[in-house]
Formats: sequence, structure tokens, C-alpha cells
Amino acid sequence: DQQVKQNSPSLSVQEGRISILNCDYTNSMFDYFLWYKKYPAEGPTFLISISSIKDKNEDGRFTVFLNKSAKHLSLHIVPSQPGDSAVYFCAATNSNTGNQFYFGTGTSLTVIP
Amino acid sequence: NAGVTQTPKFRILKIGQSMTLQCAQDMNHNYMYWYRQDPGMGLKLIYYSVGAGITDKGEVPNGYNVSRSTTEDFPLRLELAAPSQTSVYFCASSYTTDTQYFGPGTRLTVL
Repeated sequence: DQQVKQNSPSLSVQEGRISILNCDYTNSMFDYFLWYKKYPAEGPTFLISISSIKDKNEDGRFTVFLNKSAKHLSLHIVPSQPGDSAVYFCAATNSNTGNQFYFGTGTSLTVIP
Repeated sequence: NAGVTQTPKFRILKIGQSMTLQCAQDMNHNYMYWYRQDPGMGLKLIYYSVGAGITDKGEVPNGYNVSRSTTEDFPLRLELAAPSQTSVYFCASSYTTDTQYFGPGTRLTVL
């Protein structure tokens, strides 16, 4: 049972435009969400996170939005750069139990120069 | 800091063989995790540890064992390899229960 879903396996965006990656979850007990970026043959690296007490968190070109009522989060990258081309995973956890993270299946982003 | 290191990078096993995937971290993190990633899928948690001497099962623990005798090391043991265990295995560590730092992965093929 996939508790975290990324329904778009791939996304292509022109350099300089906005990339929007989406993630949905089913478990209402999740209260902490993260985005990871993964290049081929490397492990995932942390990108940005958001707690359920917020609806937006920004870090440079990266912004994560959380809509708790819809159980939906999105990652916005503005402006997109060719170096952003990677697979992006969202992950979720219940910070009270804390130890199990549930990952989505990933979205492969290609930024076209 | 080397961060999280994993050995080997690649391995081919025959059905029924056993092996240990090594994971070490030099960040003094209490929490360590083992995940597997199958093609086109997200990461699934196999086992995790909240400190030396303490381990617990994740989503997909069957066919695996772990131990945590030191803070630094968290080896994953496959006793009787099966084709279903063909995957990429990632080890991760974290200081608290939030951001995890991942190793580069071990690509395992069971034939």
C-alpha cells in the first residue's frame, strides 16, 4: 500500500521556467514532509522539508507548499536550471513515532537548456 | 567527514548465497536506516536503528537481518539470497528523526 504517491513519473521543463513536482499522501498522521533529489548512481540528498504547522517553506529557488486538507504537497523550482535535472522523491513521516519514512516513487525532472 | 559509506558498490550473488552489506557513518548519528529501491519504485525501509544495540523492522524486513554493535556501523545481512532481493540498497543516517543522509548505494543482483 503506497502511502506516498508521485503520480508523474517524469517532467520536462525549459531552462528558466518553473518546475512543479507534486506529491500526495494518504495517512493523515503524517506531519513532516521532505523532498530529496537523486542523481544517477548516487544516494538521495536532502533538498527541503516542511512541518505540518506550516503551509509553505522556501529555500532559495526551492519552495515547498503543503495543503493538509487535500493531503497534497508540491515542490516549486524557480528558475529551473539544467543542473536540476534529477529524480525527486517526496517522503513523509509521523514525527511522534519518528522512525519510519515513507517515500514516493519519484519524478524524473529534465530541464532543457 | 566521509559521511555515509557503503561497501561493496556492486555485487552479484547466486541464489542461496549469503552476504553482508556494510554501512558506516562518521557523523555520530544515532539513527541509521536500510532501504531498498526497486526499479521505478520509491525507497522501502527494511530495518532501522535508533542507537547502538537497538534495531527494529521497517516495511520490508523479510529475508534480512541487521545488527548495531557500534554507533558508526550498521551492517545488513542477507542469509539466503533470492532473485526478489535484486535491488539497490541504500543506507542512511540522521542525528534526529528528520533529515537523513544517504550513502551512494549497493547494487545487488541475485541470479
